[in-house]
Amino acid sequence: NAGVTQTPKFQVLKTGQSMTLQCAQDMNHEYMSWYRQDPGMGLRLIHYSVGAGITDQGEVPNGYNVSRSTTEDFPLRLLSAAPSQTSVYFCASSYSSTPQRGQFFGPGTRLTVL
Amino acid sequence: GDSVTQMEGPVTLSEEAFLTINCTYTATGYPSLFWYVQYPGEGLQLLLKATKADDKGSNKGFEATYRKETTSFHLEKGSVQVSDSAVYFCGLNAGNMLTFGGGTRLMVKP
Repeated sequence: NAGVTQTPKFQVLKTGQSMTLQCAQDMNHEYMSWYRQDPGMGLRLIHYSVGAGITDQGEVPNGYNVSRSTTEDFPLRLLSAAPSQTSVYFCASSYSSTPQRGQFFGPGTRLTVL
Repeated sequence: GDSVTQMEGPVTLSEEAFLTINCTYTATGYPSLFWYVQYPGEGLQLLLKATKADDKGSNKGFEATYRKETTSFHLEKGSVQVSDSAVYFCGLNAGNMLTFGGGTRLMVKP
């Protein structure tokens, strides 16, 4: 199993550009989520999905879109990048939203918006 | 809404010292509580968890007890090693959302 994979590892954007952060898992997990990690603020939930075709907003959803067309993939789209979106982004997955074994995290994508 | 507060770091200790990282929470209902660890350049890994009051989670010499009366879930280890240097996140799981604290960086010196 590859676990949770994220691409790219690093990305630099200019203000106003759009891009998609990719996330995939091969563990047949129903629950997937996106977090951003900022210094001193821990991880904050952006969006999550409890299964294919179902998504919902987390704590900080503004400026981000998600879709879940398959169980394996959960891409995060930035429609018009802003410097405030400079952060490290983590994707995570688990069998359910209350997993006994915790969530599995990807290695992260470091995004800089100039 | 739900929230988690943990002590700010960095925490710097010598090898074999005793570790405590404080964590308190605010939540409605009966959340599960957990600690995750993040090693440099990596994603988070579950360290331990507890699902109900008075439960003690333990792993790799770390332990934490779910204290409902004080709404706390402090992380402890009796003798830290250099390899324990990492960032530790306390959090809670209620419904479909996980809420994390701000993280505490631990540095252990030989």
